[in-house]
Amino acid sequence: RKEVEQDPGPFNVPEGATVAFNCTYSNSASQSFFWYRQDCRKEPKLLMSVYSSGNEDGRFTAQLNRASQYISLLIRDSKLSDSATYLCVVNTGANDMRFGAGTRLTVKP
Amino acid sequence: EAQVTQNPRYLITVTGKKLTVTCSQNMNHEYMSWYRQDPGLGLRQIYYSMNVEVTDKGDVPEGYKVSRKEKRNFPLILESPSPNQTSLYFCASSRQGYSPLHFGNGTRLTVT
Repeated sequence: RKEVEQDPGPFNVPEGATVAFNCTYSNSASQSFFWYRQDCRKEPKLLMSVYSSGNEDGRFTAQLNRASQYISLLIRDSKLSDSATYLCVVNTGANDMRFGAGTRLTVKP
Repeated sequence: EAQVTQNPRYLITVTGKKLTVTCSQNMNHEYMSWYRQDPGLGLRQIYYSMNVEVTDKGDVPEGYKVSRKEKRNFPLILESPSPNQTSLYFCASSRQGYSPLHFGNGTRLTVT
């Protein structure tokens, strides 16, 4: 079993749709969690950190469920510019950053 | 501007010809790391450094070397590149090992 698993997609949605990504992790000792966005052939960029209480940044909401060991990312009112690959990242220690393989999203007009 | 700078962006080389990919950060970060990204495999860590003169192996260190003589620089060295090292490489840094990573803009390496 992979340490961090994501649905690879692709997710193809119309503009304005709400889309949700889930990510599961295997190490119950994991301490911090992040969502990154990666555009084609470019570097990953931090989208948001994920806190136990859940957090929201504009149209993006991230949640953490420690009991079930998954994190989620919800994108509301999708824009064309949201098209990218979304990476789930889990940190279990001072140097143990584990990346999911990414979920590809395409938002269409 | 705070950034991680990698060079070169693109590199085509032949088997066995030593090469170095440079990485520099201007954020005074303690932690630096190298990753390779291959289709379907996600980002895999090659080497990391918690501080100056401290380096250690990641998940896929075979065929690579690194050094951390100064805080800002963390070059990746391929002494004898092979075709299976054809990949997209990213350098990253963070304040500390568990902080969010800042990535360089990548180096696409092709070894023929």
